[in-house]
Amino acid sequence: EAGVAQSPRYKIIEKRQSVAFWCNPISGHATLYWYQQILGQGPKLLIQFQNNGVVDDSQLPKDRFSAERLKGVDSTLKIQPAKLEDSAVYLCASSLGVGTTGEKLFFGSGTQLSVL
Amino acid sequence: DQQVKQNSPSLSVQEGRISILNCDYTNSMFDYFLWYKKYPAEGPTFLISISSIKDKNEDGRFTVFLNKSAKHLSLHIVPSQPGDSAVYFCAASPTGNQFYFGTGTSLTVIP
Repeated sequence: EAGVAQSPRYKIIEKRQSVAFWCNPISGHATLYWYQQILGQGPKLLIQFQNNGVVDDSQLPKDRFSAERLKGVDSTLKIQPAKLEDSAVYLCASSLGVGTTGEKLFFGSGTQLSVL
Repeated sequence: DQQVKQNSPSLSVQEGRISILNCDYTNSMFDYFLWYKKYPAEGPTFLISISSIKDKNEDGRFTVFLNKSAKHLSLHIVPSQPGDSAVYFCAASPTGNQFYFGTGTSLTVIP
């Protein structure tokens, strides 16, 4: 079974530039998540989609971050413009999304972003 | 507001001994708990879980214990192996598909 695919693996940009990350979840998984993991911290949820609708984006800095999940499958996360504090690993995860106890998250390998 | 806490950033254990990783949570609505393991440059991978209707779940060398009254869970690894060296995250979820992660504990198993 194919896992969660993310690209690129690494990205280095200068502050104020734009960047986009792509995620393809496990086939059949209705729920897709974007997490931000800053060095030394645990993953922090940025946005959660159920199919192509947003469930939770309360911690997404909407002045610079945006995300979409067209057709309820692939998703892109964009940062525009980037700041130094955005340097982190951006993890995409998916789950079946049936909403019952016992669900598990499956993570991609992440995109490591360095903002200089 | 950190709802899931792992107060030990790091832990070193001798090979063959027991590793105990701890996790505390504050939200009484959490009823499902998971442990994830993360190697460098990889995404977290699921290790073991426990539902709030249980106080123990075992899978090979890994056992998770849940103390609901104390809002505390722990992961025991016996015996510890060098390949277990990784960062371990606990996560908690209310019924549904929201997940809250701790800050992680870096485990080093010394050969």
